[in-house]
Amino acid sequence: SAVISQKPSRDICQRGTSLTIQCQVDSQVTMMFWYRQQPGQSLTLIATANQGSEATYESGFVIDKFPISRPNLTFSTLTVSNMSPEDSSIYLCSVEDDPLGTDTQYFGPGTRLTVL
Amino acid sequence: QKEVEQDPGPLSVPEGAIVSLNCTYSNSAFQYFMWYRQYSRKGPELLMYTYSSGNKEDGRFTAQVDKSSKYISLFIRDSQPSDSATYLCAMSAWYGQNFVFGPGTRLSVLP
Repeated sequence: SAVISQKPSRDICQRGTSLTIQCQVDSQVTMMFWYRQQPGQSLTLIATANQGSEATYESGFVIDKFPISRPNLTFSTLTVSNMSPEDSSIYLCSVEDDPLGTDTQYFGPGTRLTVL
Repeated sequence: QKEVEQDPGPLSVPEGAIVSLNCTYSNSAFQYFMWYRQYSRKGPELLMYTYSSGNKEDGRFTAQVDKSSKYISLFIRDSQPSDSATYLCAMSAWYGQNFVFGPGTRLSVLP
């Protein structure tokens, strides 16, 4: 399975600032996903990022707030813009790694964001 | 009604017990099912993958799908303290569709 790393692992940020989270995969993957996991909650999909095309955002998430880049098949970034305390969450990237046609997803370790 | 439901727990069991973790869902089109284990402050780790109905076994873990009842289960035999984690189910209707996650069940296995 793909090995996924994220930077930073955690950060504490001030209200109104922006943070860019990086996701690196050790192999080329077509589909990458960004999730948010608020305290005590399950995972909520923010957007799907395919290389060479605009990210597709889920209902409730907009590009101005969560711009995403996908410059190649092993890397993506998610920016959390103009942060507020409500953005405090764990942000996870995942990839679809499907060597046997099983349509499964693997996750990075997450970025724990606290907004003051 | 949420699309995927899980008992949030926490579920506490003694070491060596058989654990049963369950998810119910409302979308009868779901046919791809996964179980993830998430340790505290870590990303989810894929445990089991099942397509359509039936059982799948991997070591101490057994995944069971009952599509007629819209119910899936994960059984853990001979539970260990290292199994203490949150277990998330996830499912989708067709290949390539985004998965819907359950809220997770927090399991604590006591030595």
